[in-house]
Amino acid sequence: QKEVEQDPGPLSVPEGAIVSLNCTYSNSAFQYFMWYRQYSRKGPELLMYTYSSGNKEDGRFTAQVDKSSKYISLFIRDSQPSDSATYLCAMSEGTSYDKVIFGPGTSLSVIP
Amino acid sequence: GAVVSQHPSWVICKSGTSVKIECRSLDFQATTMFWYRQFPKQSLMLMATSNEGSKATYEQGVEKDKFLINHASLTLSTLTVTSAHPEDSSFYICSASRRNRAFSPLHFGNGTRLTVT
Repeated sequence: QKEVEQDPGPLSVPEGAIVSLNCTYSNSAFQYFMWYRQYSRKGPELLMYTYSSGNKEDGRFTAQVDKSSKYISLFIRDSQPSDSATYLCAMSEGTSYDKVIFGPGTSLSVIP
Repeated sequence: GAVVSQHPSWVICKSGTSVKIECRSLDFQATTMFWYRQFPKQSLMLMATSNEGSKATYEQGVEKDKFLINHASLTLSTLTVTSAHPEDSSFYICSASRRNRAFSPLHFGNGTRLTVT
């Protein structure tokens, strides 16, 4: 079993739809959970990060963490064509010196 | 704005030559920087952890003599691909996190696309 699993997609939605992206993980020691967006031929861009369980909202983006289920989600409201990218979840046990483990990424296309 | 700068963004080199890639943290000190490799439609693969003033820590299966890492200052780490071969062609990305923080998420450079002919 991989440490972090993520449906690679591709996921295609119409503009304005609500998008749900998910990851599952196996290491219960993970405490920090991040979502990155990566456009083609670019480095990943940090969207948001959360600590432990709970929700965090930033504009059209909401991150949810359920540590009891080892399941995290990213919701995108009112999706836009500019949201078309690969979304990577990432996790870490603690300090900035710990390894960050990435999911394989989900490719999202938002169709105008 | 960008907090990690990576240069060059792309490079083409001949087989057998060496290529150096630079990674700079722009507005913070980074004791630790990370180097990743990414194949098309795949996730990031950690190659090595670069520690300022000490030797890099390489992941299993990554040849340290082939991928030389130098972290000479708190804002600069370099990756040199020595004696490059076509199979080294890939997208290389560096990342850094802020120093002296209990946790700080990684910020990435924009990557370097290496093509070895």
